[in-house]
Amino acid sequence: SQTIHQWPATLVQPVGSPLSLECTVEGTSNPNLYWYRQAAGRGLQLLFYSVGIGQISSEVPQNLSASRPQDRQFILSSKKLLLSDSGFYLCAWTHGREVEGYTFGSGTRLTVV
Amino acid sequence: AQSVTQLGSHVSVSEGALVLLRCNYSSSVPPYLFWYVQYPNQGLQLLLKYTTGATLVKGINGFEAEFKKSETSFHLTKPSAHMSDAAEYFCAVMNSGYSTLTFGKGTMLLVSP
Repeated sequence: SQTIHQWPATLVQPVGSPLSLECTVEGTSNPNLYWYRQAAGRGLQLLFYSVGIGQISSEVPQNLSASRPQDRQFILSSKKLLLSDSGFYLCAWTHGREVEGYTFGSGTRLTVV
Repeated sequence: AQSVTQLGSHVSVSEGALVLLRCNYSSSVPPYLFWYVQYPNQGLQLLLKYTTGATLVKGINGFEAEFKKSETSFHLTKPSAHMSDAAEYFCAVMNSGYSTLTFGKGTMLLVSP
């Protein structure tokens, strides 16, 4: 069966520090991968998605970047965190070959102080 | 572009009462619609989805939703609320292309004894 892993679960980082959040999917190949950010009262905002290795689409210009170095690995990064980067970050995957719902990871709570 | 509006950021019901969470969508093409549930500090779990066919869709935990094209709605219902239903619920519409989802801002369901 397929599983998605996301870590760390919580993170407290100072302003100006770098960020790296990792997401991996097991039990499938060539998944579509997504990064969402959830801020209080604002729902879920799509940040990046990827349909293949090295293929990254950015939805919102911001202080973040994403990379997909391997088929089932999706990384969210920042060189210098801002206070506004605080939020709950969710990774998700889907096969993309048919209409189906996403499967989400358990999320990372990022607090920038 | 597709969009989703969830009416009411908070809905309060008594245990055993009917649950009704409202969702209206905007789409220029026949939509694919989803409802997700999120418990505190967890990822999102798919409740149900509408793609094609029967307009009344049944999901997990006794929830169901009806697709009404004339009203551009996809409201979520459950005949009898349970304390364990207290969570945040998100309606989403699938966008064309690479299967990205646009989410509503969410409705927090509060269940009182």
